[in-house]
Amino acid sequence: QQQVKQSPQSLIVQKGGIPIINCAYENTAFDYFPWYQQFPGKGPALLIAIRPDVSEKKEGRFTISFNKSAKQFSLHIMDSQPGDSATYFCAALRTGETSGSRLTFGEGTQLTVNP
Amino acid sequence: NAGVMQNPRHLVRRRGQEARLRCSPMKGHSHVYWYRQLPEEGLKFMVYLQKENIIDESGMPKERFSAEFPKEGPSILRIQQVVRGDSAAYFCASSRTLAGFSTDTQYFGPGTRLTVL
Repeated sequence: QQQVKQSPQSLIVQKGGIPIINCAYENTAFDYFPWYQQFPGKGPALLIAIRPDVSEKKEGRFTISFNKSAKQFSLHIMDSQPGDSATYFCAALRTGETSGSRLTFGEGTQLTVNP
Repeated sequence: NAGVMQNPRHLVRRRGQEARLRCSPMKGHSHVYWYRQLPEEGLKFMVYLQKENIIDESGMPKERFSAEFPKEGPSILRIQQVVRGDSAAYFCASSRTLAGFSTDTQYFGPGTRLTVL
C-alpha cells in the first residue's frame, strides 16, 4: 500500500522558475513531513521539514505548504537554479512511537532546471 | 563532525554469495535505520535498530536478510545467498533521541550500491 503519493514524476523548468512538487498522504497518524534532496550517486539530504500544526514553512528559497484537511503538502522552490537539479522525495513519519519511526517516502520527482 | 558513514560504497557479488553492508551512525546517534532504493524508485524502509536491539524489522524480507547493531562497532546489514533482485542502493540513516521533543530527524549516509551478477 502506497501511503505517500508524489507528483509529478519529473519536472523541467527554466532558471528562475518556481517548480512545485506535490504529495498526498493517507495515514492521519503521520505528524512530521520532511523533504529530502538527492543527487546522483549520493544519499538523501534533509532539505526542510514541517509539522501539521503550521500551514507553511520557509527556509531560504524552499517553502513547504501544508493542508491538513486535504492531507496534502507541497514543496516550492523559489528562483530555481541549475544546481537545484536533483531528485526530490517527500516523506512522512509518525513520531513518538517506536514502531512509527520509519520514514515512508514518496516515489520521487526528478527536477531539471535549465540554464 | 563526520556524518553517517557507510562502506563499502560499491559491492559486486555473484548469485549465491553473501553481502555485508556496514553503517556507522553520526556521533551521538543511537538509532539506525536501513532503507533500500531500487533503480528509479523511492526508498523503502527495511529495519530500525538501537544498540543491541532490533526495534522494527517489518520492512525486511523474512529470508536471507538480517541486521544487527552491536554494542561496539557499526551496524551490519547482511544478505545471504544474494539474487539479482537484491541489486539496489542500500542506505543507512541515523537519529538521536530528543528528550521532550518528538521529532526524530534522520540523516542519511552515502549508500552502498550492491550489484549482483
